[in-house]
Amino acid sequence: GAGVSQSPSNKVTEKGKDVELRCDPISGHTALYWYRQSLGQGLEFLIYFQGNSAPDKSGLPSDRFSAERTGGSVSTLTIQRTQQEDSAVYLCASSFQVSNQPQHFGDGTRLSIL
Amino acid sequence: GENVEQHPSTLSVQEGDSAVIKCTYSDSASNYFPWYKQELGKGPQLIIDIRSNVGEKKDQRIAVTLNKTAKHFSLHITETQPEDSAVYFCAASGISGGGADGLTFGKGTHLIIQP
Repeated sequence: GAGVSQSPSNKVTEKGKDVELRCDPISGHTALYWYRQSLGQGLEFLIYFQGNSAPDKSGLPSDRFSAERTGGSVSTLTIQRTQQEDSAVYLCASSFQVSNQPQHFGDGTRLSIL
Repeated sequence: GENVEQHPSTLSVQEGDSAVIKCTYSDSASNYFPWYKQELGKGPQLIIDIRSNVGEKKDQRIAVTLNKTAKHFSLHITETQPEDSAVYFCAASGISGGGADGLTFGKGTHLIIQP
């Protein structure tokens, strides 16, 4: 497709369950970013990939969060043992390269933890 | 790390009037400043960006100005239309989480265009 694609668009799950969020970046974009947006708030940067490598994972909120990217394309963000405070919209963006290139966002996954 | 402040949080203007949103940043090393428009239920859409070697950039009704000395940048929308109603975010490139290349965002401005 022409833009960044995220799935699922909505996810409702019970506290304690694991969830996996998927991002399919724009074709040819080597950089991929994950952000979190809580209700009525700005965007919080979580992690980025250059190719398949994530040089810095310190932005992830806790060790329950992990992310991977394989084949330089699709990325997954996994949250283990979900908590209610994990409820948010998780947004993915991609850019042609890292280093101050325009980032193009998907429409996000709205995650609700009951 | 970088810190971006955005004002106002809500801005209501009459259709046809101009709207101005202002942001300040803390990291003097930042050199890329995009603006995003976000509509309800959608992801942020890049509307204009500016780099530190430029003081002003225009695209039709939208313009962005940058003052590197004062570390602030502004979004100007002229001849506002109802479809301009949305939440606008400023952002700055910078060091997030110790070396990563993510953007640091302001908290957003809810722009309301009154008919």
